[in-house]
Amino acid sequence: NAGVTQTPKFQVLKTGQSMTLQCAQDMNHEYMSWYRQDPGMGLRLIHYSVGAGITDQGEVPNGYNVSRSTTEDFPLRLLSAAPSQTSVYFCASSYPTGTFTEQFFGPGTRLTVL
Amino acid sequence: GNSVTQMEGPVTLSEEAFLTINCTYTATGYPSLFWYVQYPGEGLQLLLKATKADDKGSNKGFEATYRKETTSFHLEKGSVQVSDSAVYFCALSPYGNNRLAFGKGNQVVVIP
Repeated sequence: NAGVTQTPKFQVLKTGQSMTLQCAQDMNHEYMSWYRQDPGMGLRLIHYSVGAGITDQGEVPNGYNVSRSTTEDFPLRLLSAAPSQTSVYFCASSYPTGTFTEQFFGPGTRLTVL
Repeated sequence: GNSVTQMEGPVTLSEEAFLTINCTYTATGYPSLFWYVQYPGEGLQLLLKATKADDKGSNKGFEATYRKETTSFHLEKGSVQVSDSAVYFCALSPYGNNRLAFGKGNQVVVIP
């Protein structure tokens, strides 16, 4: 199993450009989520999905869109990038909710918006 | 709401020293508690977990006990190694909900 994969690893954008961060998992996990990591802020939840066709907002959803057409993929779209979106983005997946479900994280995408 | 507070600032210590990182939480109900570790340039890995009061999670010499009375989940290791240098995050997940709430993280640097 490859686990959770993310592409690209690094990306530089200009303000106003759009792009999609890719996330895929091969563990048949129903739950997937996107976090951003900023210095001194920990990780903050952007969007999450409890299954194909179902998405919801997390703590910091503004400026980001998601969709979930398959169990495996959960792309994150930036429609018009802003310098405030400079961050490291992590995708995670896990089995459905329960008493305990370990979330598996991808290696991250480091995004710089100029 | 649900939140996690970690002690401020990086932690620098010598090899074989005792490590403690404090973590307290605010949550409704009975959350599950976690410690995640992030090594340089990598994603997060689950270090240990506890799902109910008085549970002790342990892994790789690290331990943490779920203390409901003090709403705490402090991380400890008796003798650290240089390879333990990393960022450590405390996190919680409300019961029946996968949404993780993270603390701000602590950079741990172990000097030979």
